[in-house]
Amino acid sequence: GQNIDQPTEMTATEGAIVQINCTYQTSGFNGLFWYQQHAGEAPTFLSYNVLDGLEEKGRFSSFLSRSKGYSYLLLKELQMKDSASYLCAVIYGPPDKLIFGTGTRLQVFP
Amino acid sequence: DSGVTQTPKHLITATGQRVTLRCSPRSGDLSVYWYQQSLDQGLQFLIQYYNGEERAKGNILERFSAQQFPDLHSELNLSSLELGDSALYFCASSAGTGEGNEQFFGPGTRLTVL
Repeated sequence: GQNIDQPTEMTATEGAIVQINCTYQTSGFNGLFWYQQHAGEAPTFLSYNVLDGLEEKGRFSSFLSRSKGYSYLLLKELQMKDSASYLCAVIYGPPDKLIFGTGTRLQVFP
Repeated sequence: DSGVTQTPKHLITATGQRVTLRCSPRSGDLSVYWYQQSLDQGLQFLIQYYNGEERAKGNILERFSAQQFPDLHSELNLSSLELGDSALYFCASSAGTGEGNEQFFGPGTRLTVL
């Protein structure tokens, strides 16, 4: 079956760097998304990776290794507002299907 | 504001009933996705439509159905409701068919089945 694993919870300090890992086992791979979701709100798109390597977007970067079935989201210069759940999602197939991990709840402390 | 609208915001109904959730995508977006998010199961992809046609299917129950209309709005129909169907239902839209396209999520419809 298809599976995505992420740590359930992480904590970090304001101003620090945190890396959230995601491993996946899917039949076929067509891309990986990272989303941020604050409690009670809709998810918002952070990044998309389809090729191996690092994609940088301001304070957030996402890395993908397709051969290892592995991705990480790197958050730099953490701010209190970064406290949220971070969801890893993979498009696999054909036919295209999308599966989400259960999310990593990040708490940033002063 | 993502530009995706969902109605109603809240819905309370009883077991065995049928409800319809409505979604209007962002202007110009052709793809609509439906998700279910419950406390114990995280975000579950249900189904995707692209320009009126079903494009991808996730773990959508047979009691659930969806469609996308010519004006691109979409409806998710949930029937024979069970207590376990209580969840937040999100709709999202994207410009293309999905791969690499950023999805914009609506605010969700909170369904409570009593």
